[in-house]
Amino acid sequence: AQTVTQSQPEMSVQEAETVTLSCTYDTSESDYYLFWYKQPPSRQMILVIRQEAYKQQNATENRFSVNFQKAAKSFSLKISDSQLGDAAMYFCAYRSAPEGAQKLVFGQGTRLTINP
Amino acid sequence: NAGVTQTPKFRILKIGQSMTLQCTQDMNHNYMYWYRQDPGMGLKLIYYSVGAGITDKGEVPNGYNVSRSTTEDFPLRLELAAPSQTSVYFCASSGQGPYGYTFGSGTRLTVV
Repeated sequence: AQTVTQSQPEMSVQEAETVTLSCTYDTSESDYYLFWYKQPPSRQMILVIRQEAYKQQNATENRFSVNFQKAAKSFSLKISDSQLGDAAMYFCAYRSAPEGAQKLVFGQGTRLTINP
Repeated sequence: NAGVTQTPKFRILKIGQSMTLQCTQDMNHNYMYWYRQDPGMGLKLIYYSVGAGITDKGEVPNGYNVSRSTTEDFPLRLELAAPSQTSVYFCASSGQGPYGYTFGSGTRLTVV
């Protein structure tokens, strides 16, 4: 079974600076998808960014980008120009690519604090 | 544009009581899921469904039951509630392809 590990329970960053959240995963599959979700205090789960394993190019969404290292099974999230609204729990998630149940496996989460 | 609607948002149950958490999606998604999130933890899969009439167990199914009589609805039933079921419950749905889930807003359940 696949597992996802986030080794940083908490992180903090000064507003306007850059922070990187770490995620590693374990799988024997070659085709899969990776996601970062944001969960603010409202509890809503919000998709931040996704990466398809067959794509070598790292995904980017505005201030959010990933560093996808397939051989190392690493998928870190970089947040540039941090804003107060970025404060939240961040979850890394894995999903097998073949069509089917498409179950997401989540990491334990990293709580990000933004210091003004 | 409702997406995934969960009810109720909060509930307190006594030990041994039963209840049903409702989940409805209006995106015509085939896949639906129930997760639980314990304090400070990630989400764990309880049950999932790949279409009407088809359900299967996830990682933590004990103490729960589901049904999927329509594409839109995927209720989660708790029988004989226990304190260990105190958690936040999320329903989600997804379509085909490399997309993430659409989540409901969650139900905070406390069993006392």
